[in-house]
Amino acid sequence: GAGVSQSPSNKVTEKGKDVELRCDPISGHTALYWYRQSLGQGLEFLIYFQGNSAPDKSGLPSDRFSAERTGGSVSTLTIQRTQQEDSAVYLCASSIGTSGVPREQFFGPGTRLTVL
Amino acid sequence: DAKTTQPNSMESNEEEPVHLPCNHSTISGTDYIHWYRQLPSQGPEYVIHGLTSNVNNRMASLAIAEDRKSSTLILHRATLRDAAVYYCILRKETGANNLFFGTGTRLTVIP
Repeated sequence: GAGVSQSPSNKVTEKGKDVELRCDPISGHTALYWYRQSLGQGLEFLIYFQGNSAPDKSGLPSDRFSAERTGGSVSTLTIQRTQQEDSAVYLCASSIGTSGVPREQFFGPGTRLTVL
Repeated sequence: DAKTTQPNSMESNEEEPVHLPCNHSTISGTDYIHWYRQLPSQGPEYVIHGLTSNVNNRMASLAIAEDRKSSTLILHRATLRDAAVYYCILRKETGANNLFFGTGTRLTVIP
């Protein structure tokens, strides 16, 4: 498929454990975004990568959250010492460059994280 | 970032047109009006966007007020598959490119 893929689709973990969530963007898309959506809530921006530029981390809720993007493609969102309030659906999106007219973002199916 | 205001929910009968309103009274000249929708248990998907002129695509039409302080997403014939939360989002030509999702409008399509 040519869409954005995320893995795992579901993750159940215990409070205090670390988790890694993976995103494979659409090939050729230089921009990659992470969002999260808590139950019954709207989407909340977390972090944004554009090419080789320093990522925009302004949406990360705490220093327990970090993300990296290797080789300008795959991205991993890491949550350390998970808390119950981290339970949410984590969505990844990608788009073609970001200069000029804002380009549409293509979203993956998300990873549902449950922290017990 | 300029904010948008949408009704929390709307209902439509199947195969009837639906007009989803959005107010953005503080819109600036560089803000594009984007619409996304989120079907149940799925990630959001792009619907349409515009700047000043009305826009049409295979999914919907976007009508933009002359003063740009409001816009309306038009689904010409609602189907059950159109039941979703619709988000009206302002995006600048430059600067931050992440999407600021508000609460959106939950559209219910009645068969």
